[in-house]
Amino acid sequence: QVQLQQSGPGLLKPSQTLSLTCAISGDSVSSNSAAWNWIRQSPSRGLEWLGRTYYMSKWYNNYAVSVRSRITINPDTSKNQFSLQLNSVTPEDTAIYYCARMDIGGATRHFDNWGQGTLVTVSS
Amino acid sequence: EIVLTQSPGTLSLSPGERATLSCRASQSVTSNYLAWYQQKPGQAPRLLIYGASSRATGIPDRFSGSGSGTDFTLNISSLEPEDFAVYYCQQYGGSPVCSFGQGTKLESK
Repeated sequence: QVQLQQSGPGLLKPSQTLSLTCAISGDSVSSNSAAWNWIRQSPSRGLEWLGRTYYMSKWYNNYAVSVRSRITINPDTSKNQFSLQLNSVTPEDTAIYYCARMDIGGATRHFDNWGQGTLVTVSS
Repeated sequence: EIVLTQSPGTLSLSPGERATLSCRASQSVTSNYLAWYQQKPGQAPRLLIYGASSRATGIPDRFSGSGSGTDFTLNISSLEPEDFAVYYCQQYGGSPVCSFGQGTKLESK
């Protein structure tokens, strides 16, 4: 059974860097049948997919256009986890951040496992 | 960009009634790439339906999904008290890689 455990600070000041980690158990970040995603949720933007990392003979990353200039998602194979960095945050980045697994080994695409969520507040 | 529009925004029903939730896409979505989620307060979304019509592990058979192209539906045949929550559809493909509908809140009348 796959479990995702998130960690990271919940309060930031504007212009700081948001850093969250998602530890994986029951699967491998290097699996070639899973993609590892970050999704956020806020009242104003709803559920918003931010980006993903996955391994298929080499590492790939995809990012949402809305955050592409500020985001980095990195795998850490030594710790079996992946991370989110979002630079230059503003109050608009205030949201609950989730990590989530997408099965890419079959014919369907959906998020079958989610982290517990981290409320990140950006305020001076 | 594929935009998913869910309707109604809020649905007020009583336990035992049937719920029908709609998800309409701005462009055609591959059926394999349409999923539904349930979210309760303070919890992460939970996968209900994937591939438009397949129930996820442990999901009761009162939940069913259907549709193709741009129109998809989630049905709950007979509402149980624990079904009152917010429901989201999600599509995969194109740019952005995936997107979600804005949600339908299913509330108890």
